[in-house]
Amino acid sequence: AQSVSQHNHHVILSEAASLELGCNYSYGGTVNLFWYVQYPGQHLQLLLKYFSGDPLVKGIKGFEAEFIKSKFSFNLRKPSVQWSDTAEYFCAVSPGGSSNTGKLIFGQGTTLQVKP
Amino acid sequence: DTAVSQTPKYLVTQMGNDKSIKCEQNLGHDTMYWYKQDSKKFLKIMFSYNNKELIINETVPNRFSPKSPDKAHLNLHINSLELGDSAVYFCASSYGTSANNEQFFGPGTRLTVL
Repeated sequence: AQSVSQHNHHVILSEAASLELGCNYSYGGTVNLFWYVQYPGQHLQLLLKYFSGDPLVKGIKGFEAEFIKSKFSFNLRKPSVQWSDTAEYFCAVSPGGSSNTGKLIFGQGTTLQVKP
Repeated sequence: DTAVSQTPKYLVTQMGNDKSIKCEQNLGHDTMYWYKQDSKKFLKIMFSYNNKELIINETVPNRFSPKSPDKAHLNLHINSLELGDSAVYFCASSYGTSANNEQFFGPGTRLTVL
């Protein structure tokens, strides 16, 4: 079955520290990959996405993610976090090609807490 | 202006009751979705509609019935509520059913069944 695994459930960092959140998926075909963020009290919103091309994608607020096909991974990174990055982060996969229905399969989320 | 809105934001009810959650989007999208987020924060797709036509139905109990009166609305009706239905329900919308299209999420409805 298709699934997404986020390795870190709760991450606590100090401001200016570097961030890397792991995401692995299980699906053998073409995939589209996403990171969503939910700031406290706000809606889920898209941070970045990968469909094809350059496996290193850049998103909003200085975030980037790298798709490594051989590792079925799509890790999220930020070189220097800020207190305002405190949020829930969700990795999601959507099967592409003939299996494309727009369905998003989410990981269980990572709570990031940044200490000022 | 709120892009995807849901009502109510909180819903507390007794087991066995029937309740509805409403979702509206003003983005001009033609595809709408319902997701359920359980207590472990897993978000799972329940349904999707494209132009009022059911596209995705993910082995959800038939006590859950989505209704799309028009492409801007996708309501979720739940019959005979059970304790296990307690969760946060998120509505989302997008242009078309392609995975290339960003999904915009509503604020969620926290349902508590007592």
